[in-house]
Amino acid sequence: DIQVTQSPSSVSASVGDRVTITCRASQNINSGLAWYRQKPGKAPELLIYSASSLQSGVSSRFAGSGSGTDFTLAISSLQPEDFAIYYCQQTISFPWTFGQGTKVDIK
Amino acid sequence: QLHLQESGPGLVKPSDTLSLTCVVSGESLNKNSFLWGWIRQPPGKGLEWLANIYYSGSSYYNPSLRSRLTISMDTSKNQFSLKLTSMTAADTATYYCARVPVTSSWYFDSWGQGTLVTVS
Repeated sequence: DIQVTQSPSSVSASVGDRVTITCRASQNINSGLAWYRQKPGKAPELLIYSASSLQSGVSSRFAGSGSGTDFTLAISSLQPEDFAIYYCQQTISFPWTFGQGTKVDIK
Repeated sequence: QLHLQESGPGLVKPSDTLSLTCVVSGESLNKNSFLWGWIRQPPGKGLEWLANIYYSGSSYYNPSLRSRLTISMDTSKNQFSLKLTSMTAADTATYYCARVPVTSSWYFDSWGQGTLVTVS
């Protein structure tokens, strides 16, 4: 199985801050990576697919980059609704696997 | 407007078989444009992919649960289902159904609200 490891596991930030989250795959996954945001008590929602493509309807303050084994999700200016847990997921091969999550909370 | 709605028993006993259904509205399951899948999340923990199914009936399973899982589809009712046998406390989780567009890169682009299943 391909393991995906996120860092940090948590980050404290303020509204308006820039935040970056990284995801590292245990082997080359090309651009087969997606990012999700999960607000408390809600289902995850897709932010980024194919490592860097912004899902329709998602704010342009979210940006994904990377390929191969190293990936980054950047949030350019945190909004109140962005205090949530973020997950990456590899879909290059089965079983699809998720990172352990990064919690973004209020400083 | 696409909508996915999970339904399940809420509470199951150890060793029971869990049966979940996802009713889809706003999109036909009988198309080659999408896969349909299940994901679960134990309370306070991360996400685990369980299984996917294609309109043709082709299915894909997480090997860690393969012996206990069955995914199926009923296109006449526009719904798909998941069965998980031999339930234990470790299977307590919120179970989500979701859609996967069939493109060069796969991802879950639309999710149901989830249904909490407790094993006790």
